[in-house]
Amino acid sequence: KQEVTQIPAALSVPEGENLVLNCSFTDSAIYNLQWFRQDPGKGLTSLLLIQSSQREQTSGRLNASLDKSSGRSTLYIAASQPGDSATYLCAVGPGGYNKLIFGAGTRLAVHP
Amino acid sequence: NAGVTQTPKFQVLKTGQSMTLQCAQDMNHEYMSWYRQDPGMGLRLIHYSVGAGITDQGEVPNGYNVSRSTTEDFPLRLLSAAPSQTSVYFCASSYSQREMSDTQYFGPGTRLTVL
Repeated sequence: KQEVTQIPAALSVPEGENLVLNCSFTDSAIYNLQWFRQDPGKGLTSLLLIQSSQREQTSGRLNASLDKSSGRSTLYIAASQPGDSATYLCAVGPGGYNKLIFGAGTRLAVHP
Repeated sequence: NAGVTQTPKFQVLKTGQSMTLQCAQDMNHEYMSWYRQDPGMGLRLIHYSVGAGITDQGEVPNGYNVSRSTTEDFPLRLLSAAPSQTSVYFCASSYSQREMSDTQYFGPGTRLTVL
């Protein structure tokens, strides 16, 4: 059974730091991996989607990498800002369509 | 586009009551799904649909029913509410391709408390 783990569960950093969020999964047979952002009391916003044939995706200050063979993905946030404070969720798509399996998330706080 | 909308935003039920959580999308997406989110856990898939008239079970389907009579709407029915169903419920949609996947769009969630 596919399991997704995110470490650390919580992270507090000063503004301006570059940081890395980690995601690991137990079954390398995935179709895709997605990173989402969730603000308190809100829904999820998709940040990056990496198809199984890709190694990384970039959007602005965000870069996500995927290493299927080792069952790992990282989300790199450059020059963090207080507005980046949120919970970041990693999810893998184990098969066709979009049946995602989520990690529990990393709660990020960026303080001025 | 309004995107994915969910109603109600909040709901309190008594044990044994039934209710329907509404979800609608105006993006002509084929794929729609329902997840629940509990504290300290990731989202878990309840039911999903790959098109009108087609539904299937996810990871935690017990106690919930769905139907998909139109492309736009995908309601989730709680048959007899239990305290274990206290959770935040999210509806999501995306274009659906069997061999690939597309970005999922999530609604704002419904916070359900069962007393």
